[in-house]
Amino acid sequence: AQKVTQAQTEISVVEKEDVTLDCVYETRDTTYYLFWYKQPPSGELVFLIRRNSFDEQNEISGRYSWNFQKSTSSFNFTITASQVVDSAVYFCALSSYNNNDMRFGAGTRLTVKP
Amino acid sequence: EAQVTQNPRYLITVTGKKLTVTCSQNMNHEYMSWYRQDPGLGLRQIYYSMNVEVTDKGDVPEGYKVSRKEKRNFPLILESPSPNQTSLYFCASSLGQGAGGYTFGSGTRLTVV
Repeated sequence: AQKVTQAQTEISVVEKEDVTLDCVYETRDTTYYLFWYKQPPSGELVFLIRRNSFDEQNEISGRYSWNFQKSTSSFNFTITASQVVDSAVYFCALSSYNNNDMRFGAGTRLTVKP
Repeated sequence: EAQVTQNPRYLITVTGKKLTVTCSQNMNHEYMSWYRQDPGLGLRQIYYSMNVEVTDKGDVPEGYKVSRKEKRNFPLILESPSPNQTSLYFCASSLGQGAGGYTFGSGTRLTVV
């Protein structure tokens, strides 16, 4: 069975602080994908990143970075120098290669205060 | 533009009044799915379809029906809506096995009173 756990329900930081959102997953598949989505107050799901299970390289995109560690089944997301516009709910998700089913974590609500 | 289109975006209805939320994709995707999102629970899959005339239950199918008569459309039907079906609904599509994730619609916020 596949499962995604986002233990942090809510996080509140002050602008310019760095913040890390945790994601731990469980799967028996050897090939899978990991994702992060952002859901702003408007409600749509904004795709941030997809990671193939074979690629453990960390990735950086502007103020965003992702740390994929297969040994600990974690795919953590760090926002550097947070801004008010980063306030949103962030979802981590896992997709099996074989059946394309996508499992989501419960989400972490990030509030960035000015 | 490649997209998944859901309608309506917002809907308020009364208990027991049948409704349909439409979903259409223009990417010739084989795989389509419906999710509902509830606070603290993330997104949970309701139904999915791997191709025309092939549908199967997800994790929370009770109270919902779907159909896949054509590749592009995957409507979600609530025959007799109840207040516990008040939620944010997302339709999604993908190419299929190994496609590596979905394209999501903009969401439908349903309130059943």
